[in-house]
Amino acid sequence: AQKVTQAQTEISVVEKEDVTLDCVYETRDTTYYLFWYKQPPSGELVFLIRRNSFDEQNEISGRYSWNFQKSTSSFNFTITASQVVDSAVYFCALSEAWESNYQLIWGAGTKLII
Amino acid sequence: GAGVSQSPSNKVTEKGKDVELRCDPISGHTALYWYRQSLGQGLEFLIYFQGNSAPDKSGLPSDRFSAERTGGSVSTLTIQRTQQEDSAVYLCASSSQGPEQYFGPGTRLTVT
Repeated sequence: AQKVTQAQTEISVVEKEDVTLDCVYETRDTTYYLFWYKQPPSGELVFLIRRNSFDEQNEISGRYSWNFQKSTSSFNFTITASQVVDSAVYFCALSEAWESNYQLIWGAGTKLII
Repeated sequence: GAGVSQSPSNKVTEKGKDVELRCDPISGHTALYWYRQSLGQGLEFLIYFQGNSAPDKSGLPSDRFSAERTGGSVSTLTIQRTQQEDSAVYLCASSSQGPEQYFGPGTRLTVT
């Protein structure tokens, strides 16, 4: 069965600290997609990144970086030198595409307080 | 360009009444999804539309929920005989041909 686990319910850090948000997933499919979304206090979900199951390259975008490891079924998200604007709930999600239906299976979210 | 829009932004209704929630996807996006975000259940998939194909309704929680998409664009989610457990934020997302989904601001539904 598909499942996404974000074990950290809430993390509080001091501004400029680095922080890593953990995400562990379960799937039987060999082709799948992993996502991170940000939900600031305004409530709108903002797409951050997608990784394909066949591409384990890590990615960096400014202060954000993502570490995808199939061996441990993890897709962790690191924010370097955190800022107050990073305060939000962050969701990790999994999609097992079936007939072009990319419905998302969500983790419970991690609330990040800066 | 314009993003996904949803209306109303907030809706308060009495238990037992019907409600309609509207979603306008990004122009040109053929896929449309509805999700629900509630305190108890987190984020959960409700229904998926792709062009003029039959929708995937596998996430709808009961037969009180239905949705339609007219002309492959605007979608309406209808909840009949609302119950208190229907209180949640209803989110709409659209996408072109790939897996990335872009979300609207949501409709906060409160059933009293």
